[in-house]
Amino acid sequence: TQLLEQSPQFLSIQEGENLTVYCNSSSVFSSLQWYRQEPGEGPVLLVTVVTGGEVKKLKRLTFQFGDARKDSSLHITAAQPGDTGLYLCAGPMNTGFQKLVFGTGTRLLVSP
Amino acid sequence: DAGVTQSPTHLIKTRGQQVTLRCSPKSGHDTVSWYQQALGQGPQFIFQYYEEEERQRGNFPDRFSGHQFPNYSSELNVNALLLGDSALYLCASSLGIAGYEQYFGPGTRLTVT
Repeated sequence: TQLLEQSPQFLSIQEGENLTVYCNSSSVFSSLQWYRQEPGEGPVLLVTVVTGGEVKKLKRLTFQFGDARKDSSLHITAAQPGDTGLYLCAGPMNTGFQKLVFGTGTRLLVSP
Repeated sequence: DAGVTQSPTHLIKTRGQQVTLRCSPKSGHDTVSWYQQALGQGPQFIFQYYEEEERQRGNFPDRFSGHQFPNYSSELNVNALLLGDSALYLCASSLGIAGYEQYFGPGTRLTVT
């Protein structure tokens, strides 16, 4: 069974601080995706990483895929209140279809 | 470009009732997946529809069923509702059976009392 564990589960920081969220698995994934979800809304796709060691940047967000494609991280620089939300990593099950398995989620609260 | 839409937004049902949720995929997408998200947890895969057929199914009982129409829209039906079925139900669409990027709708919040 492919499982994705995220840490930390909850993070409360002040505006301007940096933070890193981790997504780990004992299984290899062909790709990993990061989503952000706000209360009462569906997850919004932020990025997809495909190649081991790949680094992608989205403004103040930096995503990295582990060399072995078993883990990923999300780093936010100078967090802002608008970054508040539930961050989810997800990866496709090895079935050839689009069945996604989601991580446990990291709830981020950025206070002004 | 219309994104994924879902209806209704909120729904309250009582135990034992049946419910139907609806989803229209993003323009150009032909595959629809349904997820259940309990409060404070990540979404759990229910099933996926492609070419009007259920292609994959997660660990959900037969009380959960679905349908896909020729225009790619989809319905999720849940029979004999239980209190534990209370959750946010998410629809995601994608292009093709092997594509890996899914786009989610806003969800339907189902409350079973």
